[in-house]
Amino acid sequence: KNEVEQSPQNLTAQEGEFITINCSYSVGISALHWLQQHPGGGIVSLFMLSSGKKKHGRLIATINIQEKHSSLHITASHPRDSAVYICAVIQGAQKLVFGQGTRLTINP
Amino acid sequence: NAGVTQTPKFQVLKTGQSMTLQCAQDMNHEYMSWYRQDPGMGLRLIHYSVGAGITDQGEVPNGYNVSRSTTEDFPLRLLSAAPSQTSVYFCASSYGDRSSPLHFGNGTRLTVT
Repeated sequence: KNEVEQSPQNLTAQEGEFITINCSYSVGISALHWLQQHPGGGIVSLFMLSSGKKKHGRLIATINIQEKHSSLHITASHPRDSAVYICAVIQGAQKLVFGQGTRLTINP
Repeated sequence: NAGVTQTPKFQVLKTGQSMTLQCAQDMNHEYMSWYRQDPGMGLRLIHYSVGAGITDQGEVPNGYNVSRSTTEDFPLRLLSAAPSQTSVYFCASSYGDRSSPLHFGNGTRLTVT
């Protein structure tokens, strides 16, 4: 069993829908990253959080340390949100362990 | 401010050849790291460094060597390439504290024949 599990693996939705991507982990962590990888391959950091909730534009990330679970929400989804979303947990000083990613497709 | 610069973008090697993937950042980041991304496997940490002169192994270090002689540069060396090292390689850096985002390079697509 992977230390970091994401669900769903693939998600297709219509433009405007509310999107939720989940990340569960089985190890102790100091913080968690949400990353976005576009079809061209580039990876950008969306959020880094160790507690509570963060919001940036239409994106919201939450984390529950006790339940070892984080969610990434996208409100009013748009085709440009189509990408692979990756959860990565930080163990110890800076050792990252990644989920396998969620491929999101938003249809117009 | 170029961010994280990886070179080359593409490389084809024959089994047994050696090469160095270059990674440089101009943000004065203490933390630098190398990952490989394979279909169905996600990203996996190869080696990382929390500062000049300090390196440590990640999840899949075998067959790779790193050094960190300066804050800016973190090269990844393949001493004797194998087909199993065919992958896309990413370098990333950050300030290393709990609130710092990771900055990724654009990746190197390596094929070993």
